Amino acid sequence: DQQVKQNSPSLSVQEGRISILNCDYTNSMFDYFLWYKKYPAEGPTFLISISSIKDKNEDGRFTVFLNKSAKHLSLHIVPSQPGDSAVYFCAASSRINDMRFGAGTRLTVKP
Amino acid sequence: GAGVSQSPRYKVAKRGQDVALRCDPISGHVSLFWYQQALGQGPEFLTYFQNEAQLDKSGLPSDRFFAERPEGSVSTLKIQRTQQEDSAVYLCASSRETSGGAGDTQYFGPGTRLTVL
Repeated sequence: DQQVKQNSPSLSVQEGRISILNCDYTNSMFDYFLWYKKYPAEGPTFLISISSIKDKNEDGRFTVFLNKSAKHLSLHIVPSQPGDSAVYFCAASSRINDMRFGAGTRLTVKP
Repeated sequence: GAGVSQSPRYKVAKRGQDVALRCDPISGHVSLFWYQQALGQGPEFLTYFQNEAQLDKSGLPSDRFFAERPEGSVSTLKIQRTQQEDSAVYLCASSRETSGGAGDTQYFGPGTRLTVL
């Protein structure tokens, strides 16, 4: 059961522009959402998170938006940099041992 | 400080062989998780430890998979009689969380890529 979905397997943007990565979930019990970034041959690296009591969390160039009614979250990267090129995983959980991941979106930022 | 480390980074096994994958979590982290990541997919939960106690092993795909964390730090994931479908990247993660809530970050190791021929 795919409880967390990232429907875009890839995204390409120009350096300096905004990157928007999307994620949908089906389980209304999820109350904590995270984005991880993964470079080749490395494990996922935590990027940013948001609790279900908020609708926005910002950290530097990265902002996560949560729309609970639509069961949708998105990650905005502004401005995008070539070093941001990686696979981005969306994850959601309702308890510590129940984190579900999407299949990932490969972001390419072109110079 | 040091992050989560895993060894070996790559493992090739013949079908039917047993393998053991090691995880060294971040020092002081109470919780430890194992995930399996198939090609083109996100990580999928296998099992969870709080200290030395294995509190959830619901994600282990068969009884050929066994995990332990005897002293509450290093953990080993063992796969007996490996099959081709076991080929995947096995990720270990740790977190400080003790309360059982969702709101604590999991920090991942680099993974072990297992290939079963």
